[in-house]
Amino acid sequence: DQQVKQNSPSLSVQEGRISILNCDYTNSMFDYFLWYKKYPAEGPTFLISISSIKDKNEDGRFTVFLNKSAKHLSLHIVPSQPGDSAVYFCAAEGMDSNYQLIWGAGTKLIIKP
Amino acid sequence: NAGVMQNPRHLVRRRGQEARLRCSPMKGHSHVYWYRQLPEEGLKFMVYLQKENIIDESGMPKERFSAEFPKEGPSILRIQQVVRGDSAAYFCASSPQPGAGFYNEQFFGPGTRLTVL
Repeated sequence: DQQVKQNSPSLSVQEGRISILNCDYTNSMFDYFLWYKKYPAEGPTFLISISSIKDKNEDGRFTVFLNKSAKHLSLHIVPSQPGDSAVYFCAAEGMDSNYQLIWGAGTKLIIKP
Repeated sequence: NAGVMQNPRHLVRRRGQEARLRCSPMKGHSHVYWYRQLPEEGLKFMVYLQKENIIDESGMPKERFSAEFPKEGPSILRIQQVVRGDSAAYFCASSPQPGAGFYNEQFFGPGTRLTVL
C-alpha cells in the first residue's frame, strides 16, 4: 500500500530550465511534507518542506506547491543546475503516523549541460 | 560539528551470520530513526528510539531484527541470522525533537550498505 507515490522514476532537464518533480499521496491525515535530495553513496539531505496549512513554500531556487484537494505536491527548481542532478524523495508525516516519515520511491533528476 | 555518523559504511556477511550496524546521532539529538532502502525503492521506516527507549518499532520485522539506543554510546541495529533478502542500504537519522516538524528535520547519516552472500 503505497501512500506516497512518485510516478516518474527519472527526469531529464536542460541546464537553466525549470525542473518539476511530482508527488501524490493517498492519506488525508498527512499534514507535513518534505523533499529530500540524495547523491549516490550518501544519506538523504533535507531540501524543503511544507505544512498542510500552506499551499506554497519558497527557498531560493526551490519552491514546493501543495494541492490538498488533489493530494498532490510538486517541487520546482529554477533555474536547474548540474549540481541538482540527484535522486529526489518526497516524504510525508501525519497525525496518525506516529512520527514516521512515509517515503516515495524517488525520482532521479538528470540535468543536461 | 559532526553530522550523523554510521559505521561500517559497507558490510558483507554470509547467510546465517549476524550484522551489527552503528549510528551516532548529531550532538544534542536524542531521537534516532532507522530506515531501510531496497534497490529502486524509497526508504522504509523501521524503528524510532530515544535514549534507552524504543518508541515505535512497527516497521521492524518481528524476528531476527532488534535495535537499541543505550544511555552511553551509539544506537545499534542488529540483524541475526542474515538472509539474502536483508541486503539493502540501512540509514539512520536523528532529530532534536520527535518527528519532522519545522526546525526539526531529520538529519541522515551516509548509510550502511549490507550485502549478504
